[in-house]
Amino acid sequence: GENVEQHPSTLSVQEGDSAVIKCTYSDSASNYFPWYKQELGKRPQLIIDIRSNVGEKKDQRIAVTLNKTAKHFSLHITETQPEDSAVYFCAADSGNTPLVFGKGTRLSVIA
Amino acid sequence: DVKVTQSSRYLVKRTGEKVFLECVQDMDHENMFWYRQDPGLGLRLIYFSYDVKMKEKGDIPEGYSVSREKKERFSLILESASTNQTSMYLCASSLIQGMTEAFFGQGTRLTVV
Repeated sequence: GENVEQHPSTLSVQEGDSAVIKCTYSDSASNYFPWYKQELGKRPQLIIDIRSNVGEKKDQRIAVTLNKTAKHFSLHITETQPEDSAVYFCAADSGNTPLVFGKGTRLSVIA
Repeated sequence: DVKVTQSSRYLVKRTGEKVFLECVQDMDHENMFWYRQDPGLGLRLIYFSYDVKMKEKGDIPEGYSVSREKKERFSLILESASTNQTSMYLCASSLIQGMTEAFFGQGTRLTVV
């Protein structure tokens, strides 16, 4: 089955700096790669997703890149702000099995 | 607005009790899921369902069962609660497997004493 590895597990950045979170997956059939943000005490919510026919997608300060050959995808957050502090989860979905999540990255943005 | 609602935010149960966690979605989604969230372990899939009365085991089904009698409702059952089932439980639903966003409930923090 699918296996998703996520790194780093914790990340601290200064406000205004960029943050990058990386994920790898094992199932070459996976074709949908969402990223979820979970603020303290709240439910995970989708922030951006990418499908296998696209190499990069951007939404304001966040962007996701996908390398299908290498089976890895990354989340990039630019100009980080304190409200970006949260746990971020990557996931992969082949359509045949449910979403498989990475173990999460706790991002702390230091003002 | 899309809604996935879990019946309880916090629960405290005794070892050996039978525990029911309820989840309701109002989006007419086919797919529903139960995940368990523990620090450092991420979101682990317990059970999922693609249709009414259908259920499939996830990665950690031992000690749990589920019921889906109606499309909008997916229940997680702990047959005999144990202390190692103390955790945060998250329900989710999605429209189309592999193509669309999963919407999560607010979570139930279960403590088994």
